[in-house]
Amino acid sequence: GESVGLHLPTLSVQEGDNSIINCAYSNSASDYFIWYKQESGKGPQFIIDIRSNMDKRQGQRVTVLLNKTVKHLSLQIAATQPGDSAVYFCAENFNAGGTSYGKLTFGQGTILTVHP
Amino acid sequence: KAGVTQTPRYLIKTRGQQVTLSCSPISGHRSVSWYQQTPGQGLQFLFEYFSETQRNKGNFPGRFSGRQFSNSRSEMNVSTLELGDSALYLCASSLGQGIGEAFFGQGTRLTVV
Repeated sequence: GESVGLHLPTLSVQEGDNSIINCAYSNSASDYFIWYKQESGKGPQFIIDIRSNMDKRQGQRVTVLLNKTVKHLSLQIAATQPGDSAVYFCAENFNAGGTSYGKLTFGQGTILTVHP
Repeated sequence: KAGVTQTPRYLIKTRGQQVTLSCSPISGHRSVSWYQQTPGQGLQFLFEYFSETQRNKGNFPGRFSGRQFSNSRSEMNVSTLELGDSALYLCASSLGQGIGEAFFGQGTRLTVV
């Protein structure tokens, strides 16, 4: 049958603004989460990760927040730059008992466009 | 430190043919995972190898297979190609012991005609 493409959420911001990208994850038992950035023609690039025993983690210009109560993950990018324009994916891993080695379950992605 | 290397970058194959893709992980990483990325389905997990053993497998038909060598390099094979197999195939490497960072290669763009 005809395949239907994913309709990715989009976020447009001005250079210098702060960006917040949200993600709802699926498995309440997931214990590890990663944010990736994917530019056109490239593979996903690791941005930041967080384990389920944490609520917040900060990197360089980025902060990840984890709300396990509502299964929600967010990525905050400070002082967004045109080079931040890309598709951003959240990914989760559930590996209790070793049943999901190496398996990341990805969200659909969000397109971030930063205008100069 | 070299990143994850995938070869070739681009491939065009005909329906019914088979194809082999290669992935060299980051030095010291023993786990290699493979993913298929399409506009319709997003990123989907194919399988994972650690120390030459497949530890996990996604929901793909048996036409998709893989292996890992003693130097941790991995190959995936797709037999009897279908038009729907056209996709970006990505591999990710990690240390593989417990949870931890997974780093992706640039991918192989496969087009089936």
